[in-house]
Amino acid sequence: DAKTTQPPSMDCAEGRAANLPCNHSTISGNEYVYWYRQIHSQGPQYIIHGLKNNETNEMASLIITEDRKSSTLILPHATLRDTAVYYCIVRVIYDGGTSYGKLTFGQGTILTVHP
Amino acid sequence: EAGVVQSPRYKIIEKKQPVAFWCNPISGHNTLYWYRQNLGQGPELLIRYENEEAVDDSQLPKDRFSAERLKGVDSTLKIQPAELGDSAVYLCASSFGNHEAFFGQGTRLTVV
Repeated sequence: DAKTTQPPSMDCAEGRAANLPCNHSTISGNEYVYWYRQIHSQGPQYIIHGLKNNETNEMASLIITEDRKSSTLILPHATLRDTAVYYCIVRVIYDGGTSYGKLTFGQGTILTVHP
Repeated sequence: EAGVVQSPRYKIIEKKQPVAFWCNPISGHNTLYWYRQNLGQGPELLIRYENEEAVDDSQLPKDRFSAERLKGVDSTLKIQPAELGDSAVYLCASSFGNHEAFFGQGTRLTVV
């Protein structure tokens, strides 16, 4: 599976946009970019995913560079409840083997939203 | 709609004792995952099921860990005997094929 690199921690002021970067320079054509977050003492929560086009849902926006080697998760108006560990994951969708569907978590980015 | 349900939420056992965790996935989800999360680390996959078949158990320590999903719905993960190093949060997740996976709250295991 392609590896991802994320900053260990970031801060953001409440009400401002939080932009979380992720580097995935070895991503393959059959791998999607997924983002999950984990609030303290809870299981990981799915946020968004994309292949090569930018995506937006009610939680966030995902911007993927044209060469697909990096991406940015954007929380447009961060709140205190967005304080969590954010994981960027590249996920094989199908390869005919056993790796497809596998979610491999790294260390993630600890996002702290402060008043 | 109910999410992924895990029980128990917390478990404290003495080393060398057996322990079992139960997971009920989201209705209709054929893929089920068990993950282990050590303190301060990201979750690590232990085993993945497609229906009742374990398609990836390469990270499961088979000398003491076992899992089953007999009818392709709910699943049980067992440790026997437990060691101090098994203290962690055990997470279950489910998905419909390769669509996004949804996680349960996890079971926090403490081995003393």
